[in-house]
Amino acid sequence: GENVEQHPSTLSVQEGDSAVIKCTYSDSASNYFPWYKQELGKGPQLIIDIRSNVGEKKDQRIAVTLNKTAKHFSLHITETQPEDSAVYFCAATISNFGNEKLTFGTGTRLTIIP
Amino acid sequence: NAGVTQTPKFQVLKTGQSMTLQCAQDMNHNSMYWYRQDPGMGLRLIYYSASEGTTDKGEVPNGYNVSRLNKREFSLRLESAAPSQTSVYFCASRPRQGITEAFFGQGTRLTVV
Repeated sequence: GENVEQHPSTLSVQEGDSAVIKCTYSDSASNYFPWYKQELGKGPQLIIDIRSNVGEKKDQRIAVTLNKTAKHFSLHITETQPEDSAVYFCAATISNFGNEKLTFGTGTRLTIIP
Repeated sequence: NAGVTQTPKFQVLKTGQSMTLQCAQDMNHNSMYWYRQDPGMGLRLIYYSASEGTTDKGEVPNGYNVSRLNKREFSLRLESAAPSQTSVYFCASRPRQGITEAFFGQGTRLTVV
């Protein structure tokens, strides 16, 4: 099955700087890559996603890039703010109706230092 | 909208006790999932249900059973709790399988002593 590795496990950045979280996946058939943000005491919430036919997607300060050849994708947060402090999870799945499991990475705890 | 609702939020069990974690969604979603979250291990899939009336094992199904009671509700049962099942459990739902967003509940923090 799919295996997703995520690095780093913890990341601290100064407010205003950029943060980058990287993930690799094992199954070349995976075609959907969402990123989730989990705030303390809450469930994960989708912040951005990318499909395999797209190399990059941006939403305000957040961007995701995908390299299908190398089987890795990354989350980029620019101009970080204190409210960006949270745990971030990447995930990968094969969009195959009727037989699908969303596989998550192990998470990155991001701390923004004021 | 309530979204995905899990009960209870916290629970302490003694080894060998049984309990059922409840999950309900009000978004008319077809697919529902149970994950457990452990430090350093991310979210691991226990069971999922692609549609009403179907359930399938995920990555870590041992020690658990599930019931998709109807389209809204998907419960997770621990028949004989073990300390290794101490974890935070999340229920999630999606409109359908495929390229769709998963919506998570607030989680149930379970401690087995």
